[in-house]
Amino acid sequence: AQSVSQHNHHVILSEAASLELGCNYSYGGTVNLFWYVQYPGQHLQLLLKYFSGDPLVKGIKGFEAEFIKSKFSFNLRKPSVQWSDTAEYFCAVNAPHTGKLIFGQGTTLQVKP
Amino acid sequence: DSGVTQTPKHLITATGQRVTLRCSPRSGDLSVYWYQQSLDQGLQFLIQYYNGEERAKGNILERFSAQQFPDLHSELNLSSLELGDSALYFCASSGMGARETQYFGPGTRLLVL
Repeated sequence: AQSVSQHNHHVILSEAASLELGCNYSYGGTVNLFWYVQYPGQHLQLLLKYFSGDPLVKGIKGFEAEFIKSKFSFNLRKPSVQWSDTAEYFCAVNAPHTGKLIFGQGTTLQVKP
Repeated sequence: DSGVTQTPKHLITATGQRVTLRCSPRSGDLSVYWYQQSLDQGLQFLIQYYNGEERAKGNILERFSAQQFPDLHSELNLSSLELGDSALYFCASSGMGARETQYFGPGTRLLVL
């Protein structure tokens, strides 16, 4: 069965620090990969997604993620975080034949001003 | 605003009761997904409908059922409620295909007392 693991449950950073959130998935075949963000009191929003091609994907708000097939990883990065990036971040996968998303446990990011 | 609407926003009920959660997808989206978010289980896929037909099933309890109507809105019915059913229930919608972005609604927060 597919599963997604996010290594960091709670991350605290100061503004301007660099961010990297880990995500590993287990699935034997081709997958589609996503990062969603949930700001306090708001709905889940798509940050970025990877289907194929260039393994370095750029998303909204300066976020990017790198797909490393050999490591089954899809880590999220941002060079310099802002206080407004305080939110919960979810990594998710789905298989090409199905739309259902399998989510990781989520990482709560707290950015101190 | 994702374009996906869910009602009600909050629901408080007692054990043993039955509730119905409603979701209206984005205009033009034929797929509707239901997810449950709880502290212990995280974000879990429940069920997917596509153009009125059930497409995929996840960890949905037998006490739960869903349907999608001809106007494409969907309802999630939860019956014989237990304390452990307290959670945030999200609906998402997308076009056809696993590569389509899923747009999430604001969720319905259910509290079972």
